[in-house]
Amino acid sequence: GALVYQYPRRTICKSGTSMRMECQAVGFQATSVAWYRQSPQKTFELIALSTVNSAIKYEQNFTQEKFPISHPNLSFSSMTVLNAYLEDRGLYLCGARVTANSDYTFGSGTRLLVI
Amino acid sequence: GDSVTQTEGPVTVSESESLIINCTYSATSIAYPNLFWYVRYPGEGLQLLLKVITAGQKGSSRGFEATYNKETTSFHLQKASVQESDSAVYYCALGDPPNTNKVVFGTGTRLQVLP
Repeated sequence: GALVYQYPRRTICKSGTSMRMECQAVGFQATSVAWYRQSPQKTFELIALSTVNSAIKYEQNFTQEKFPISHPNLSFSSMTVLNAYLEDRGLYLCGARVTANSDYTFGSGTRLLVI
Repeated sequence: GDSVTQTEGPVTVSESESLIINCTYSATSIAYPNLFWYVRYPGEGLQLLLKVITAGQKGSSRGFEATYNKETTSFHLQKASVQESDSAVYYCALGDPPNTNKVVFGTGTRLQVLP
């Protein structure tokens, strides 16, 4: 079946440092990858949508300068939280899908704690 | 913008009792959004529970049901008899067809089923 693995599962970083998280699709081709963040007491917000061979589209309030994303092939994507601060803590979720008409398969998320 | 509002949790019910988790949506840019219920069990990723893409239709999975009601813009999740294993966080969500680039999530409802 289609699975998405995210690692690390949880991580702690010092304020002002950066943290890279990874997303691996298994059993299908991840043409599109969506990165979401769930901040404490909030719902999932879309950070950006990455489609292979297309430009990465960031949502309002999120930028490439802060959340650079790499999507080099159909099974892997990574996102870095640069210069992390307290407001960046939360659960980062990766969702991948084959085509625009297919449903996302989500990973378990990477929980980021900033101290 | 588009939004989803659902029952604020936590919701606690006893095993074999009935359950309803309310969900209403506002789709300002989409006439007929796709509607989803996702579930996140402890320690696991976000899983698609059920999906309905046609107004008036009902989706069902694992004993859960939800009917797409365009008149009331609702997509309430129901189950006649819950089990302890149903304890999880449930998210109502909408997406815009045919290119479901963005899935908009509700805040999630934590369900605890007591034995």
